[in-house]
Amino acid sequence: GENVEQHPSTLSVQEGDSAVIKCTYSDSASNYFPWYKQELGKRPQLIIDIRSNVGEKKDQRIAVTLNKTAKHFSLHITETQPEDSAVYFCAATLNTGNQFYFGTGTSLTVIP
Amino acid sequence: DVKVTQSSRYLVKRTGEKVFLECVQDMDHENMFWYRQDPGLGLRLIYFSYDVKMKEKGDIPEGYSVSREKKERFSLILESASTNQTSMYLCASSPAINSPLHFGNGTRLTVT
Repeated sequence: GENVEQHPSTLSVQEGDSAVIKCTYSDSASNYFPWYKQELGKRPQLIIDIRSNVGEKKDQRIAVTLNKTAKHFSLHITETQPEDSAVYFCAATLNTGNQFYFGTGTSLTVIP
Repeated sequence: DVKVTQSSRYLVKRTGEKVFLECVQDMDHENMFWYRQDPGLGLRLIYFSYDVKMKEKGDIPEGYSVSREKKERFSLILESASTNQTSMYLCASSPAINSPLHFGNGTRLTVT
């Protein structure tokens, strides 16, 4: 099966700085890569996703990049705000099935 | 907006008890999933279902079973609860392969 590794496990940034979270995957057949944000005590929610036919996608302060050759994808948050503090999970899915493979999560703290 | 509802937010059970966790979604989604979330381990798939009465094992199915008698409802069953099943359980649904997951609020199960 697929193996997704996520780094770093914790990240602290000053408000207004950028934050970058990186994930690698093992199976070149993976073709869908969502990112979820989980605030304390709440459910994970999709914040952005990217498919294998696209190299980059942006939504306001959030962007995701995908390098299929190197098998890694990254989440970029610019102009961070305290409300960005949460745990972020990356995931990858194979085109052969429904199974999502999740990274172990990054706890982001934005310091005011 | 998709709503995925888990019947209990907190549950305390004794070792050896049979435990039922219920999940209902209101968007006619084909696929439903049960994940287990533990610190440092991310989200691990227990079982998923892509149709009524259909089920597939995920990465950690041991000690669990599932039931999907109706499209909107997916139940997770712990036949004989053990202390190592103390965890946060998340239900999710999605409309199709490689579509975003919509999560419920989770059930925090404690087995004593």
